[in-house]
Amino acid sequence: EPEVTQTPSHQVTQMGQEVILRCVPISNHLYFYWYRQILGQKVEFLVSFYNNEISEKSEIFDDQFSVERPDGSNFTLKIRSTKLEDSAMYFCASGASATDTQYFGPGTRLTVL
Amino acid sequence: AQTVTQSQPEMSVQEAETVTLSCTYDTSESDYYLFWYKQPPSRQMILVIRQEAYKQQNATENRFSVNFQKAAKSFSLKISDSQLGDAAMYFCAYRRGGSGGSNYKLTFGKGTLLTVNP
Repeated sequence: EPEVTQTPSHQVTQMGQEVILRCVPISNHLYFYWYRQILGQKVEFLVSFYNNEISEKSEIFDDQFSVERPDGSNFTLKIRSTKLEDSAMYFCASGASATDTQYFGPGTRLTVL
Repeated sequence: AQTVTQSQPEMSVQEAETVTLSCTYDTSESDYYLFWYKQPPSRQMILVIRQEAYKQQNATENRFSVNFQKAAKSFSLKISDSQLGDAAMYFCAYRRGGSGGSNYKLTFGKGTLLTVNP
């Protein structure tokens, strides 16, 4: 069964450093999402992406964040200058259509020191 | 804005028994979808069940079923014959339906931690 994959599973970085989180969505999916879950809290929407552009973003998704689909398979989330409060689990999700169920990857745990 | 409320931070159940997890939501839309996701200790988000608001019939998936009360904006999850592997955090989530526009994000509740006792 096809699944969403994410790398790395755990990333440790120093405050102020740039990080890139990578996702490979399910191959025939066209809608892509990033969500964040700070430890012990609920899952929060960051951004949705379709047709090579952002379709919606939350208040959390400020200028420090960017997303890209550099090739036909990868979908990346970049944080330019990480802050301590960026420490969280980051989930990528994809769907075949805007209204399709969103299937989640296993997540990347980001720790900012 | 849509909100999802899970009023039970923690629940426990004996193995082989039945447990119900509660979820209420607030929306002004008539077309939407509701989901239950399971998050085991590995922290992966796994879809458990999905309900379309326009369907009157409650969704079922093997031991998992929902009680969808549209007028009351209630969407509870029933787990029958609970198994040790059901122990996880369970999140209720809402998403608008329809076509057009771009706002198809999932809005999650805070979750219910389910413990299954042997």
